[in-house]
Amino acid sequence: DTGVSQNPRHKITKRGQNVTFRCDPISEHNRLYWYRQTLGQGPEFLTYFQNEAQLEKSRLLSDRFSAERPKGSFSTLEIQRTEQGDSAMYLCASSVWDRPTIGKLFFGSGTQLSVL
Amino acid sequence: AQTVTQSQPEMSVQEAETVTLSCTYDTSENNYYLFWYKQPPSRQMILVIRQEAYKQQNATENRFSVNFQKAAKSFSLKISDSQLGDTAMYFCAFILYNQGGKLIFGQGTELSVKP
Repeated sequence: DTGVSQNPRHKITKRGQNVTFRCDPISEHNRLYWYRQTLGQGPEFLTYFQNEAQLEKSRLLSDRFSAERPKGSFSTLEIQRTEQGDSAMYLCASSVWDRPTIGKLFFGSGTQLSVL
Repeated sequence: AQTVTQSQPEMSVQEAETVTLSCTYDTSENNYYLFWYKQPPSRQMILVIRQEAYKQQNATENRFSVNFQKAAKSFSLKISDSQLGDTAMYFCAFILYNQGGKLIFGQGTELSVKP
């Protein structure tokens, strides 16, 4: 069990550029989540997958944001035409979905995005 | 809409002492779960303790215990025998049984354990 891995750890980009983040979940976990966390706040839900199906997207997620989990394993989160307000920590988490494990998420260390 | 409120932005405690972090939440649903997550300076969020709303017994995990008051919609975390490694942001979180993976987090309480 190597844990949830996120790459890169840090990303600095200029406004208007596109960025893509990758998340590798714990291998036996069928659910994968993306959250966004700004300084001094709790994480905000963005979207989640069960296997390769994207089951829910937050209304916070504008059309510039897209997430994929093509083979039900790793996931990517892309932000197009970045804005300064996109600067945040992007957290990925994974879990097994079963009643005894509801809400037991395993988080990665996050990708810190800075948009200049 | 469900909300989670942590009214203590910062707290401190002396090593080996006990501290209680407060959390209130709002929901009209009956079937839900509550959590405390810890985020140390290394940033990786870790689950501390989990409470199922239909269970009246308060959850306990070693030095961590909760006081779950369902009628008052209150869910506090007690840390006994505080250790330096307990220094972290603590987030109270909530999820409805039928809401998939949508954890709702509070704003966090920054806990400092002082030697």
